[in-house]
Amino acid sequence: GENVEQHPSTLSVQEGDSAVIKCTYSDSASNYFPWYKQELGKRPQLIIDIRSNVGEKKDQRIAVTLNKTAKHFSLHITETQPEDSAVYFCAATGGSYIPTFGRGTSLIVHP
Amino acid sequence: NAGVTQTPKFQVLKTGQSMTLQCAQDMNHEYMSWYRQDPGMGLRLIHYSVGAGITDQGEVPNGYNVSRSTTEDFPLRLLSAAPSQTSVYFCASSLKAGGTYEQYFGPGTRLTVT
Repeated sequence: GENVEQHPSTLSVQEGDSAVIKCTYSDSASNYFPWYKQELGKRPQLIIDIRSNVGEKKDQRIAVTLNKTAKHFSLHITETQPEDSAVYFCAATGGSYIPTFGRGTSLIVHP
Repeated sequence: NAGVTQTPKFQVLKTGQSMTLQCAQDMNHEYMSWYRQDPGMGLRLIHYSVGAGITDQGEVPNGYNVSRSTTEDFPLRLLSAAPSQTSVYFCASSLKAGGTYEQYFGPGTRLTVT
């Protein structure tokens, strides 16, 4: 089955800095890579996603890049704000249509 | 639309007790899943369903049963609760549309087994 590794487990940045979270996956058949944000005590919610036929996607301050050859994908957040503090999960989805999640990254943005 | 709903929000069980976590969605999604979330372990798939009458095991299925008699409902049964099943449980649904499979999560059930 699919295996998704996510790093780092904790990321601490100053407000206004950039944050990068990296994931790798094992199944070359995976073709959809979503990122979810989970605020404390809340449910995970989709913030951005990318399909395997696209190398990069951007939505305001967040962007995702995908390297299919290396089986790497990353989340980039620019100009971080305190409200970006949360746990972020990457995931990879293939033929079963059910995602395999990484273990999560706790992002802390210090004012 | 209510989206994905889960009941109860909190539950305390004694070891050996059984119970059912309820999950319902009103979006006519084909796929439904149950995850458990433990600190540092991410979201681990327990069971999933690709349609009414069809279920399959995920990564951590032991100790749990599911059934899918309707498109809307996907209950999770704990057969004989153990302290290792203390966790937050999320139900999710998704629609295969345009090649994306966005998971819509319920609010979660926090279960403690003593």
